[in-house]
Amino acid sequence: KQEVTQIPAALSVPEGENLVLNCSFTDSAIYNLQWFRQDPGKGLTSLLLIQSSQREQTSGRLNASLDKSSGRSTLYIAASQPGDSATYLCAVRQGTDKLIFGTGTRLQVFP
Amino acid sequence: EPEVTQTPSHQVTQMGQEVILRCVPISNHLYFYWYRQILGQKVEFLVSFYNNEISEKSEIFDDQFSVERPDGSNFTLKIRSTKLEDSAMYFCASSGTTGWASGANVLTFGAGSRLTVL
Repeated sequence: KQEVTQIPAALSVPEGENLVLNCSFTDSAIYNLQWFRQDPGKGLTSLLLIQSSQREQTSGRLNASLDKSSGRSTLYIAASQPGDSATYLCAVRQGTDKLIFGTGTRLQVFP
Repeated sequence: EPEVTQTPSHQVTQMGQEVILRCVPISNHLYFYWYRQILGQKVEFLVSFYNNEISEKSEIFDDQFSVERPDGSNFTLKIRSTKLEDSAMYFCASSGTTGWASGANVLTFGAGSRLTVL
């Protein structure tokens, strides 16, 4: 059974720092991995999707990498801003319709 | 930018009552999903729906739950007899493709419907 874990569970940093959020999964047989952002009381916003054949994806200040063989993905946030404060979720899709979500990392960036 | 719309944003109901949560997916999307998140827990898959039928469902999605796409635009989740443990945020999502069709299946989620069962 696929298990997805994220560390750290919470992170508080000053504005301007570069951050690394980690996601690990137990079964490397995945189709893709997706990173989401969740703001309090709101829905999930897709940030990046990495196909199983890809190593990384970039969007603006965000870069996500995937090492399928070791069951790991990282989300790198460059030059963090207070507006980046949110919970970040990773989710994997295997050979079925469903996404399996991680535990989340709650990020706070203070001015 | 196209979005998934969910109503109501918050519903409070008594245990044993029926609840219908509504979703309007993105208009050209073909795959529809319900997920839920109990407070403080992971987001969990409930059900996926394609071509007017359920394509997959989780163990959570028992006979108490049903989904429907009644008119080609709305996608509903019905909970027949609510229990205290059904209290959660319910998220609808849609995508244009699914994993094995093209691999580029980015899900777009709605803002969620918070259900509180008393």
